Amino acid sequence: GQNIDQPTEMTATEGAIVQINCTYQTSGFNGLFWYQQHAGEAPTFLSYNVLDGLEEKGRFSSFLSRSKGYSYLLLKELQMKDSASYLCAGFSGGYQKVTFGTGTKLQVIP
Amino acid sequence: NAGVTQTPKFQVLKTGQSMTLQCAQDMNHEYMSWYRQDPGMGLRLIHYSVGAGITDQGEVPNGYNVSRSTTEDFPLRLLSAAPSQTSVYFCASRRQGTVTGELFFGEGSRLTVL
Repeated sequence: GQNIDQPTEMTATEGAIVQINCTYQTSGFNGLFWYQQHAGEAPTFLSYNVLDGLEEKGRFSSFLSRSKGYSYLLLKELQMKDSASYLCAGFSGGYQKVTFGTGTKLQVIP
Repeated sequence: NAGVTQTPKFQVLKTGQSMTLQCAQDMNHEYMSWYRQDPGMGLRLIHYSVGAGITDQGEVPNGYNVSRSTTEDFPLRLLSAAPSQTSVYFCASRRQGTVTGELFFGEGSRLTVL
């Protein structure tokens, strides 16, 4: 299957900015998703990039470089409620399968 | 609006028992899928369906069966449970052909096999 790599854990301070990186094999992917998952809950959709560049949604932005197989999620003005796992995922198999990375557990500290 | 509903939320089985995890969605989504989530492994695709009567295997299909007789329902069957199937199972659906391809997840079913 397709490999998606993310850091396992990150810690950041309330009010700060944090960038969560995601790398993937370039062949076979048709766009990258980011999902947020709080402990014990289901993942919820944050963003989707199909073209290169930055997509901004309030405090959250996501960037994609298809040629480099690289994406990142940028979280600004961190709040305690942003403590969660952030999952990078990609379409493969002609938009029939969504493959997830193992997720990055973000801890926001005061 | 219920979205994606999974039952049961918790289940304990003994090795060799069979059971069915139910998944229903009321959004008229063509695409439905089952994932399992294990610590350190992330979400792994078990089976998926692009419409009634059509199913296909994902990354980890062994030990699981699915069927899709209606657009709304996509049950996951464990024929003979094994301890390795202890996991959290998520059902997810989306509308085919959408630009974002956003998946909508159920709340999860936590299965323990003894």
